[in-house]
Amino acid sequence: GAGVSQSPSNKVTEKGKDVELRCDPISGHTALYWYRQSLGQGLEFLIYFQGNSAPDKSGLPSDRFSAERTGGSVSTLTIQRTQQEDSAVYLCASSLGGFITEAFFGQGTRLTVV
Amino acid sequence: GQNIDQPTEMTATEGAIVQINCTYQTSGFNGLFWYQQHAGEAPTFLSYNVLDGLEEKGRFSSFLSRSKGYSYLLLKELQMKDSASYLCAVRDSNYQLIWGAGTKLIIKP
Repeated sequence: GAGVSQSPSNKVTEKGKDVELRCDPISGHTALYWYRQSLGQGLEFLIYFQGNSAPDKSGLPSDRFSAERTGGSVSTLTIQRTQQEDSAVYLCASSLGGFITEAFFGQGTRLTVV
Repeated sequence: GQNIDQPTEMTATEGAIVQINCTYQTSGFNGLFWYQQHAGEAPTFLSYNVLDGLEEKGRFSSFLSRSKGYSYLLLKELQMKDSASYLCAVRDSNYQLIWGAGTKLIIKP
């Protein structure tokens, strides 16, 4: 597609429920990042996929968080047993990978846990 | 640990010049990025520096000193639409992007 697409754009869920967030990166981009951003805060790194390499999961805040990237393209971020502190905007970004190239961001999914 | 420092907030006047500083301590260095983020929107790319010196792009310029672990973003002829957060990010030795918390720039008429 023309840009990074994320769905849903907004999600309201009850505490304890599982949620799945989707990211469609720009076609051909081998690098994919997930970030979390709380209101007025900076970007909190969650996970990084680069090609067929093992993902860097060092930013996942707990074992309730997991992410997959199928076929080197679409990625899903799953949050199990959601808590109120999980409420934030979840941003996905992709880049061509390699040495330089900037990352392009999707519009994010605003998650609200009530 | 890895660390990116930026001022939390800055205020400037329309038509003036403002410089937003960024200092970093990272495991290796493979380039520094500046992004602009308007409230409620996704960050968008502004500039990239990998060598020391100044990169100019229209009203925006970005400077890098690798020996000092320092960069700045210079915005000239400020416009009201420049009111946004400006994020500094460094690509480390693993090609991972390390992000600062962002500087909220407020432009006053």
